[in-house]
Amino acid sequence: ETGVTQTPRHLVMGMTNKKSLKCEQHLGHNAMYWYKQSAKKPLELMFVYNFKEQTENNSVPSRFSPECPNSSHLFLHLHTLQPEDSALYLCASSQDRHDRGFYGYTFGSGTRLTVV
Amino acid sequence: AQKVTQAQTEISVVEKEDVTLDCVYETRDTTYYLFWYKQPPSGELVFLIRRNSFDEQNEISGRYSWNFQKSTSSFNFTITASQVVDSAVYFCALSEVRGTNAGKSTFGDGTTLTVKP
Repeated sequence: ETGVTQTPRHLVMGMTNKKSLKCEQHLGHNAMYWYKQSAKKPLELMFVYNFKEQTENNSVPSRFSPECPNSSHLFLHLHTLQPEDSALYLCASSQDRHDRGFYGYTFGSGTRLTVV
Repeated sequence: AQKVTQAQTEISVVEKEDVTLDCVYETRDTTYYLFWYKQPPSGELVFLIRRNSFDEQNEISGRYSWNFQKSTSSFNFTITASQVVDSAVYFCALSEVRGTNAGKSTFGDGTTLTVKP
């Protein structure tokens, strides 16, 4: 039990499908993140939410649409994806980004997405 | 701009060998935090250690030890008497305290460690 729960763990979807990834934390953290990890590539930061407000979008294609209804939940809505979007999608949370006592991230186990 | 370099992409050792994973960082901030995370095959990144820029004491936790040297901007990680369960991808990360990047972690590309029986 990591404190950050991601569902589903595995997802196979066609290019015309619409699906959503879910991330949930009850650690009292105020910042949440989506990362993409492709095979043989480094972690890529996709989105950052701080107190439910999106504070960063790292030039992510519009076929990825994040949603943060409250500080405990983060979604990543997927539509018309491409095979190259197949990757491990990791959610993380942390205390307030501007807290001087920064204790790092708590990660979920990830959703392994395969686009066919 | 902050940057973390893990020059070793892959390392392979035989069980019981000692192994050191290198991490070199760049930052203009005088106050920052350094981290190591472990990513086993299951996927999640597991927090291992946090070190702030004012504390250069080396730390030991069981078979793990960390060597922080500000003079060389390095934060290296040594596993003593490695075990097969240590096989994972290890990430070094840096977080600045001030500026527009405050609180956001920059990760290295990771080092894949394989420990063979």
